[in-house]
Amino acid sequence: QVQLQESGPGLVKPSETLSLTCTVSGGSISNFYWSWIRQPPGKGLEWLGYVYNGGSTSYNPSLNSRVSMSVDTSKSQFSLKLTSVTAADTAVYFCARATSTFLSPVAYWGQGALVTVSS
Amino acid sequence: QSVLTQPPSVSGAPGQRVTISCTGSSSNIGAGYTVHWYQQLPGKAPKVIINGNTNRPSGVPDRLSASKSGTSASLAITGLQTEDEANYYCQSYDNSLSGFVFGTGTEVTV
Repeated sequence: QVQLQESGPGLVKPSETLSLTCTVSGGSISNFYWSWIRQPPGKGLEWLGYVYNGGSTSYNPSLNSRVSMSVDTSKSQFSLKLTSVTAADTAVYFCARATSTFLSPVAYWGQGALVTVSS
Repeated sequence: QSVLTQPPSVSGAPGQRVTISCTGSSSNIGAGYTVHWYQQLPGKAPKVIINGNTNRPSGVPDRLSASKSGTSASLAITGLQTEDEANYYCQSYDNSLSGFVFGTGTEVTV
């Protein structure tokens, strides 16, 4: 059974960079679309982007080039970086994987990591 | 900035039927991309309850059903139970954003 686990700082200062890592276990990290999705407290889900295999990516245009994602297949990990954060970036961040293609449902989710942006 | 619009909340008595609409546009649902539905319990990650527009994964009760037409989709829950109290989200792909889009979310109260 595929399992995902987010890790990273729970508190980030405004204007700094938010960095999270997702460790994949129970399955291969190759040949899948790995996504980051966030949820501000009490609000809905927002797709941030995905990274595939050798590094091809697609990002939510609303993030205005602040986001980058990468995969480290040797460690079975993929990562998220979000620069110039503000309080509006406070959210639970989920790492996730679609079943197969990027049009498939997101069947595998991490438990979520709360990241608070505050000085 | 969700591009799929859902009603903020729906409610019903135990045993009743409720429906949740998901309204999109010609760049997502209307373009033929499949719609998936998720149930999210408080403090938990979302769980797929409908995939590929109408399909229920194993373990999802047949009280839940979904449909899609034109630029919209809908989820129906019949025989409402207290365990159905949760937030529900639709999701599709949008070719103008080149990525996933989620609905605004609907809270179901029994």
